[in-house]
Parts: sequence; C-alpha cells; structure tokens
Amino acid sequence: NAGVTQTPKFQVLKTGQSMTLQCAQDMNHNSMYWYRQDPGMGLRLIYYSASEGTTDKGEVPNGYNVSRLNKREFSLRLESAAPSQTSVYFCASSYPRWSRNEKLFFGSGTQLSVL
Amino acid sequence: GDSVTQMEGPVTLSEEAFLTINCTYTATGYPSLFWYVQYPGEGLQLLLKATKADDKGSNKGFEATYRKETTSFHLEKGSVQVSDSAVYFCALSGTGANNLFFGTGTRLTVIP
Repeated sequence: NAGVTQTPKFQVLKTGQSMTLQCAQDMNHNSMYWYRQDPGMGLRLIYYSASEGTTDKGEVPNGYNVSRLNKREFSLRLESAAPSQTSVYFCASSYPRWSRNEKLFFGSGTQLSVL
Repeated sequence: GDSVTQMEGPVTLSEEAFLTINCTYTATGYPSLFWYVQYPGEGLQLLLKATKADDKGSNKGFEATYRKETTSFHLEKGSVQVSDSAVYFCALSGTGANNLFFGTGTRLTVIP
C-alpha cells in the first residue's frame, strides 16, 4: 500500500526560485494537509483542504500557495523561496473530514534547503 | 490558545530500561490527545490516542493516560527495545479545532 506519497524527497533552491511539492494519497481520504517541521518547534500546519475543492489557511501560510487538484492530490507551491522556508515538509491525509478524534496519515517528507 | 509542552530530548536508554516521556497541555474544553512516532526516514504515524479524561491509550507496549487534573499525557513503556528508537510527538486536538497541535518532539535512542 502506497498511502501518502510525496515528491521530491530532497530539494535545494536558491533564494527567489519557485517550486511545487507534490502529494498524492490512494486511501480515498477527504482531507489533506501540509505541515512544516522545524527544530525545536514541532510540526506547524501551513494549509489544509477539508474536501476536494476547498482549501484553508493554517498557522503559517505566508509565502505558500496550495492546490487541491482532485481528491487524490494536494500540492504546495513556493512562489519565491526564502531561507526561512528551509524546513522538512510533510503532507498528511485523513478520512473522513477532519474531526477531533481522527488520525492523520503522513508522507515521508520533503527536506527543502533554501540558500 | 491550545498548546503542548513536551520534555526536551534527546533521551538515551539501554535496552529493557523503563521509558517516560513527559507531555503537558494547555487547552480550553476537552481536547483529544495523541502520541505520534516518527521512525528514521519515515513520516509520522499514530502510536496511541485518548479522547476523554482518565482514558488510557495503549499500543506496542506503550501507554499514556489522559490526566485532566494535571493536564498531562505522559508516554510510558516498561521495557524499551532498540527498534523503539525514534522521535516521539505529543499532540492535541482541541474542541472545535481543525488542526492538531504538536509538541517539539523527543528523540529516543535505545542502545543494546
């Protein structure tokens, strides 16, 4: 079972470059999420999509855009990368629509460095 | 706002030692509490959860009890194995929230 698949696994960018992180899930989940993980700060929610066709901001959305392309795919775009966006990015999904008791399924992460 | 405070790491233990990783929370209402584990090179996965006061979550020999009086959800295991080496995250989902709030993570290394 593939679960949640993220690409790429590693990426190095120069300041000002743009890129898109891809995420796909094969579990027929309704909700999908993008988190970033920084040392000493745990995981913080960037954006989420409660269902196909909807997206909402999380705790730290500045500098990012997202697209829920279809039920399976949820991409994260950095339009003009900054060193502060150096982080490990995780995509996650859940079914059904997020509730307090629902568990998240995570991808294996993308390690991004912005020089 | 809602938050989780987790003990600083890293933690290094010998195989078969007793493990405690402390987690306390701040939340209004009655949150649900979770422990997630991240093995090297992998994403996070749910280890256990508790949804109301006095509930005990358990899985793979790990346990945590939801203590409302002390606002805590400490993770324990009686005898750790090398395969338990990972980063452990405490997390909270508050009433009406559409997000999980994660602690900073505690890295556990178990040596033979």
